[in-house]
Amino acid sequence: DVKVTQSSRYLVKRTGEKVFLECVQDMDHENMFWYRQDPGLGLRLIYFSYDVKMKEKGDIPEGYSVSREKKERFSLILESASTNQTSMYLCASSAPEGQNPYEQYFGPGTRLTVT
Amino acid sequence: GQQVMQIPQYQHVQEGEDFTTYCNSSTTLSNIQWYKQRPGGHPVFLIQLVKSGEVKKQKRLTFQFGEAKKNSSLHITATQTTDVGTYFCAGPIEYGNKLVFGAGTILRVKS
Repeated sequence: DVKVTQSSRYLVKRTGEKVFLECVQDMDHENMFWYRQDPGLGLRLIYFSYDVKMKEKGDIPEGYSVSREKKERFSLILESASTNQTSMYLCASSAPEGQNPYEQYFGPGTRLTVT
Repeated sequence: GQQVMQIPQYQHVQEGEDFTTYCNSSTTLSNIQWYKQRPGGHPVFLIQLVKSGEVKKQKRLTFQFGEAKKNSSLHITATQTTDVGTYFCAGPIEYGNKLVFGAGTILRVKS
Protein backbone atom coordinates (compact mmCIF):
# COMPACT_ATOMS: atom_id res chain seq x y z
CA ASP A 1 0.00 0.00 0.00
CA VAL A 2 1.33 3.40 -0.99
CA LYS A 3 1.76 5.69 1.93
CA VAL A 4 2.14 9.44 1.68
CA THR A 5 2.70 11.21 4.96
CA GLN A 6 2.75 14.90 5.79
CA SER A 7 4.56 16.38 8.75
CA SER A 8 1.59 18.09 10.41
CA ARG A 9 -2.20 17.85 10.23
CA TYR A 10 -2.71 21.32 11.66
CA LEU A 11 -0.37 24.28 11.75
CA VAL A 12 -0.83 27.84 12.97
CA LYS A 13 1.76 30.44 11.95
CA ARG A 14 2.09 34.18 12.13
CA THR A 15 2.26 36.53 9.17
CA GLY A 16 5.83 36.85 7.93
CA GLU A 17 7.05 33.54 9.34
CA LYS A 18 8.87 31.04 7.15
CA VAL A 19 6.88 27.81 6.98
CA PHE A 20 8.06 24.34 5.98
CA LEU A 21 5.61 21.61 4.99
CA GLU A 22 7.16 18.18 4.59
CA CYS A 23 5.89 15.26 2.54
CA VAL A 24 7.30 11.74 2.38
CA GLN A 25 6.21 8.84 0.15
CA ASP A 26 7.34 5.24 0.51
CA MET A 27 6.69 3.86 -2.99
CA ASP A 28 9.74 5.12 -4.86
CA HIS A 29 7.51 7.35 -6.99
CA GLU A 30 9.15 9.70 -9.46
CA ASN A 31 6.46 12.39 -9.43
CA MET A 32 5.44 14.45 -6.45
CA PHE A 33 3.01 17.34 -6.22
CA TRP A 34 1.89 20.07 -3.88
CA TYR A 35 -1.69 21.37 -4.10
CA ARG A 36 -3.75 23.76 -2.10
CA GLN A 37 -7.45 23.13 -1.63
CA ASP A 38 -9.91 25.94 -1.03
CA PRO A 39 -13.73 25.72 -0.94
CA GLY A 40 -15.25 26.05 -4.40
CA LEU A 41 -11.86 26.08 -6.12
CA GLY A 42 -10.92 22.42 -6.06
CA LEU A 43 -7.28 21.43 -6.01
CA ARG A 44 -4.83 23.89 -7.49
CA LEU A 45 -1.29 22.81 -8.32
CA ILE A 46 1.45 24.83 -6.65
CA TYR A 47 4.57 22.91 -7.69
CA PHE A 48 5.47 19.61 -9.26
CA SER A 49 8.67 17.55 -9.18
CA TYR A 50 9.45 14.71 -11.58
CA ASP A 51 12.85 13.79 -10.16
CA VAL A 52 15.31 14.68 -7.44
CA LYS A 53 16.26 18.35 -7.67
CA MET A 54 13.83 18.85 -10.57
CA LYS A 55 10.80 21.06 -10.16
CA GLU A 56 8.21 22.84 -12.23
CA LYS A 57 5.85 25.63 -11.36
CA GLY A 58 2.18 24.82 -11.25
CA ASP A 59 -0.75 27.21 -11.57
CA ILE A 60 -0.17 29.22 -8.38
CA PRO A 61 3.55 29.19 -7.44
CA GLU A 62 3.74 32.80 -6.21
CA GLY A 63 4.81 32.99 -2.59
CA TYR A 64 5.96 29.37 -2.50
CA SER A 65 9.13 27.43 -3.21
CA VAL A 66 9.95 23.72 -3.05
CA SER A 67 12.85 21.42 -2.37
CA ARG A 68 13.44 17.84 -3.44
CA GLU A 69 16.81 16.64 -2.24
CA LYS A 70 15.78 12.98 -1.91
CA LYS A 71 13.38 11.00 -4.05
CA GLU A 72 11.01 10.21 -1.21
CA ARG A 73 10.76 13.72 0.22
CA PHE A 74 9.20 16.87 -1.23
CA SER A 75 9.07 20.02 0.84
CA LEU A 76 6.90 23.10 0.35
CA ILE A 77 8.24 26.37 1.71
CA LEU A 78 6.32 29.54 2.36
CA GLU A 79 9.08 32.14 2.44
CA SER A 80 6.99 34.75 4.28
CA ALA A 81 3.56 33.48 5.23
CA SER A 82 0.58 35.71 4.53
CA THR A 83 -3.05 35.40 5.60
CA ASN A 84 -4.13 34.57 2.03
CA GLN A 85 -2.05 31.40 2.30
CA THR A 86 -4.40 30.03 4.93
CA SER A 87 -5.58 26.82 3.30
CA MET A 88 -5.47 23.03 3.20
CA TYR A 89 -2.23 21.80 1.63
CA LEU A 90 -2.17 18.38 0.02
CA CYS A 91 0.87 16.46 -1.13
CA ALA A 92 0.59 13.69 -3.71
CA SER A 93 2.82 11.27 -5.57
CA SER A 94 2.42 9.16 -8.69
CA ALA A 95 4.32 6.52 -10.59
CA PRO A 96 6.05 7.21 -13.91
CA GLU A 97 5.05 6.16 -17.44
CA GLY A 98 4.39 2.44 -17.71
CA GLN A 99 2.14 2.61 -14.72
CA ASN A 100 -0.71 5.12 -14.60
CA PRO A 101 1.05 8.45 -13.96
CA TYR A 102 -2.31 10.12 -13.35
CA GLU A 103 -3.24 7.89 -10.42
CA GLN A 104 -2.09 10.18 -7.68
CA TYR A 105 -1.78 9.12 -4.04
CA PHE A 106 -2.51 11.87 -1.58
CA GLY A 107 -1.30 12.54 1.92
CA PRO A 108 -3.73 13.40 4.73
CA GLY A 109 -3.24 17.15 4.25
CA THR A 110 -2.00 19.99 6.41
CA ARG A 111 -4.48 22.65 7.42
CA LEU A 112 -2.43 25.82 7.71
CA THR A 113 -3.77 28.92 9.40
CA VAL A 114 -1.80 32.16 9.10
CA THR A 115 -2.78 34.82 11.62
CA GLY B 1 -5.18 27.93 -19.86
CA GLN B 2 -6.70 24.48 -19.78
CA GLN B 3 -9.83 24.31 -17.66
CA VAL B 4 -12.08 21.60 -16.33
CA MET B 5 -15.54 22.67 -15.20
CA GLN B 6 -17.67 20.53 -12.95
CA ILE B 7 -21.36 20.83 -12.10
CA PRO B 8 -23.26 20.95 -9.88
CA GLN B 9 -21.13 22.41 -7.11
CA TYR B 10 -23.33 20.87 -4.46
CA GLN B 11 -26.12 18.29 -4.32
CA HIS B 12 -28.20 17.07 -1.43
CA VAL B 13 -30.20 13.89 -2.09
CA GLN B 14 -32.44 11.56 -0.16
CA GLU B 15 -30.91 8.16 0.47
CA GLY B 16 -31.93 5.86 -2.39
CA GLU B 17 -32.09 8.64 -4.99
CA ASP B 18 -29.70 8.76 -7.91
CA PHE B 19 -26.92 11.33 -8.30
CA THR B 20 -24.94 12.58 -11.28
CA THR B 21 -22.01 14.95 -11.59
CA TYR B 22 -20.78 16.32 -14.90
CA CYS B 23 -17.35 17.37 -16.02
CA ASN B 24 -16.50 19.48 -19.09
CA SER B 25 -13.09 20.32 -20.46
CA SER B 26 -12.11 23.30 -22.57
CA THR B 27 -9.83 21.00 -24.60
CA THR B 28 -9.88 17.39 -25.79
CA LEU B 29 -8.51 15.07 -23.14
CA SER B 30 -6.38 11.98 -23.66
CA ASN B 31 -7.93 10.52 -20.52
CA ILE B 32 -9.88 11.55 -17.45
CA GLN B 33 -9.62 10.56 -13.82
CA TRP B 34 -12.23 10.57 -11.05
CA TYR B 35 -11.38 10.96 -7.38
CA LYS B 36 -13.47 10.87 -4.19
CA GLN B 37 -12.73 12.79 -1.02
CA ARG B 38 -14.64 11.82 2.11
CA PRO B 39 -15.36 14.60 4.64
CA GLY B 40 -12.16 15.26 6.58
CA GLY B 41 -10.20 12.96 4.29
CA HIS B 42 -7.98 13.21 1.27
CA PRO B 43 -8.76 12.54 -2.41
CA VAL B 44 -8.67 8.88 -3.39
CA PHE B 45 -8.37 7.70 -6.99
CA LEU B 46 -11.48 5.93 -8.28
CA ILE B 47 -10.97 5.29 -11.98
CA GLN B 48 -9.41 6.33 -15.26
CA LEU B 49 -11.25 6.52 -18.59
CA VAL B 50 -9.25 6.55 -21.79
CA LYS B 51 -11.34 5.63 -24.82
CA SER B 52 -13.91 7.77 -26.59
CA GLY B 53 -17.40 6.77 -25.42
CA GLU B 54 -16.01 4.50 -22.71
CA VAL B 55 -18.35 3.38 -19.92
CA LYS B 56 -17.06 1.73 -16.76
CA LYS B 57 -18.94 0.53 -13.71
CA GLN B 58 -17.92 0.05 -10.11
CA LYS B 59 -20.90 -1.44 -8.26
CA ARG B 60 -23.44 1.42 -8.12
CA LEU B 61 -21.09 3.94 -9.78
CA THR B 62 -21.14 4.41 -13.57
CA PHE B 63 -18.48 6.49 -15.27
CA GLN B 64 -18.74 7.75 -18.85
CA PHE B 65 -16.29 9.47 -21.19
CA GLY B 66 -17.85 11.47 -23.98
CA GLU B 67 -17.45 10.66 -27.65
CA ALA B 68 -15.50 13.86 -28.25
CA LYS B 69 -13.37 13.22 -25.12
CA LYS B 70 -14.26 16.66 -23.75
CA ASN B 71 -16.80 15.63 -21.15
CA SER B 72 -17.41 12.94 -18.58
CA SER B 73 -19.98 12.00 -15.99
CA LEU B 74 -20.25 9.99 -12.80
CA HIS B 75 -23.63 8.53 -11.94
CA ILE B 76 -24.45 6.89 -8.62
CA THR B 77 -27.54 4.68 -8.49
CA ALA B 78 -29.51 4.50 -5.26
CA THR B 79 -27.20 6.60 -3.12
CA GLN B 80 -26.19 5.45 0.34
CA THR B 81 -24.82 7.44 3.26
CA THR B 82 -21.39 5.98 2.50
CA ASP B 83 -21.40 7.90 -0.80
CA VAL B 84 -21.12 11.30 0.90
CA GLY B 85 -18.08 13.33 -0.02
CA THR B 86 -16.67 15.43 -2.81
CA TYR B 87 -16.19 13.96 -6.26
CA PHE B 88 -13.52 15.43 -8.50
CA CYS B 89 -12.76 14.88 -12.13
CA ALA B 90 -9.23 15.58 -13.38
CA GLY B 91 -7.70 15.73 -16.83
CA PRO B 92 -4.05 15.70 -17.84
CA ILE B 93 -2.34 18.93 -18.70
CA GLU B 94 -0.87 18.94 -22.20
CA TYR B 95 2.63 17.89 -21.16
CA GLY B 96 4.10 16.16 -18.18
CA ASN B 97 2.26 14.01 -15.68
CA LYS B 98 0.22 16.83 -14.16
CA LEU B 99 -3.52 17.02 -13.72
CA VAL B 100 -6.00 19.86 -13.73
CA PHE B 101 -8.84 19.23 -11.31
CA GLY B 102 -12.44 20.33 -11.51
CA ALA B 103 -13.79 22.25 -8.54
CA GLY B 104 -15.61 19.17 -7.33
CA THR B 105 -19.22 18.25 -6.54
CA ILE B 106 -20.13 17.91 -2.88
CA LEU B 107 -22.66 15.14 -2.29
CA ARG B 108 -24.73 14.99 0.88
CA VAL B 109 -27.14 12.12 1.49
CA LYS B 110 -30.12 12.39 3.85
CA SER B 111 -31.10 9.15 5.53
